[in-house]
Amino acid sequence: AQKITQTQPGMFVQEKEAVTLDCTYDTSDQSYGLFWYKQPSSGEMIFLIYQGSYDEQNATEGRYSLNFQKARKSANLVISASQLGDSAMYFCAMREHQTGANNLFFGTGTRLTVIP
Amino acid sequence: GAVVSQHPSRVICKSGTSVKIECRSLDFQATTMFWYRQFPKKSLMLMATSNEGSKATYEQGVEKDKFLINHASLTLSTLTVTSAHPEDSSFYICSARESAGVGTDTQYFGPGTRLTVL
Repeated sequence: AQKITQTQPGMFVQEKEAVTLDCTYDTSDQSYGLFWYKQPSSGEMIFLIYQGSYDEQNATEGRYSLNFQKARKSANLVISASQLGDSAMYFCAMREHQTGANNLFFGTGTRLTVIP
Repeated sequence: GAVVSQHPSRVICKSGTSVKIECRSLDFQATTMFWYRQFPKKSLMLMATSNEGSKATYEQGVEKDKFLINHASLTLSTLTVTSAHPEDSSFYICSARESAGVGTDTQYFGPGTRLTVL
């Protein structure tokens, strides 16, 4: 089974509007971390936001917020007031803290295009 | 945030040659470094995990003799693609993790290396 599922291969949003990028995950660990990364066309992976499984409040970082719904196993990224520079690929990722591998499991990504 | 550099950013080589890619954590000590491969318009695939001073752990299907990983210090890991072939052409990205523990142990990524094997 896929550990991270991103069902939106592509999304469009009008500049200055908000957009939600979906991410669901699958794990039997009680302790895990969820990450969102942005990958512009240049290729580098930019860390955006982190949510720990035991964090009671949704994580926020500037215009980014993570809508964490633990019971539904979803960790959607919300970008408010979209800017043209937000156009990029966005990857959701998870690290399981108990079963162990140290690595991040990545989703297939969502390509966001911001329309002027 | 923390900075991870990769060198070279782009390399073109002939089939059969070996290529070394360096990954450095510039402002923190990386107990663990990861090497990923990304095909066009695809997600990142973990190739191997390396801990400083020990042998790398390779993911299933990754040839350890072909993709040599060395993590000689807390700030440097290298990936050597030996006897490269055109099918090895890809975007290789390294990442580094500051803490070996759990929690907000964010992984920082390098800018990637685009390898083209002719």
